[in-house]
Amino acid sequence: DVKVTQSSRYLVKRTGEKVFLECVQDMDHENMFWYRQDPGLGLRLIYFSYDVKMKEKGDIPEGYSVSREKKERFSLILESASTNQTSMYLCASSFQGEAFFGQGTRLTVV
Amino acid sequence: AQTVTQSQPEMSVQEAETVTLSCTYDTSESDYYLFWYKQPPSRQMILVIRQEAYKQQNATENRFSVNFQKAAKSFSLKISDSQLGDAAMYFCAYNGMNSGYSTLTFGKGTMLLVSP
Repeated sequence: DVKVTQSSRYLVKRTGEKVFLECVQDMDHENMFWYRQDPGLGLRLIYFSYDVKMKEKGDIPEGYSVSREKKERFSLILESASTNQTSMYLCASSFQGEAFFGQGTRLTVV
Repeated sequence: AQTVTQSQPEMSVQEAETVTLSCTYDTSESDYYLFWYKQPPSRQMILVIRQEAYKQQNATENRFSVNFQKAAKSFSLKISDSQLGDAAMYFCAYNGMNSGYSTLTFGKGTMLLVSP
């Protein structure tokens, strides 16, 4: 089975902190994604990557950056966390169009 | 850009009954994938069913089936013999095959409530 693992299930950070959300997949997938999930808004794409060191902006990239130094790892970075970034963050990898998700990280910025 | 619309924020069904969740999408592509994902309270997204647009036959997985109407750009999910464990948020998703990069576009979700 494909496994996508996010480093934290819950995180609480202070405003202005630099925050790293880590994601690792074990199926050698080329495509990886970061989504943000908010009630009533569904899943919105922040960034995606189709290869090592390659990245593309999604629908809501402002305030975020990403890093993909190795194929299996895709990191989401909040350069200076703000309260409006309090949300659920979902990482996924994909193969033949199908996405495989991590368990999600619920981030609270106080 | 592709869009996916789920017009039912919430649906209710009784155990053993059948329920249908609606999804429409907008695209100019001819080849694509469509998916239904389930997100229970555990938050883990689980694939329920997938459909390739070039296949005319509607996909079926046990109690779950779809009604795929390509011309109408409609992709509804039917759950038969509903069970308490079916209670979850359900997301419809689209992925184009002809896009330069493969990204999934999601609807806003339908919360399914199942009562005994």
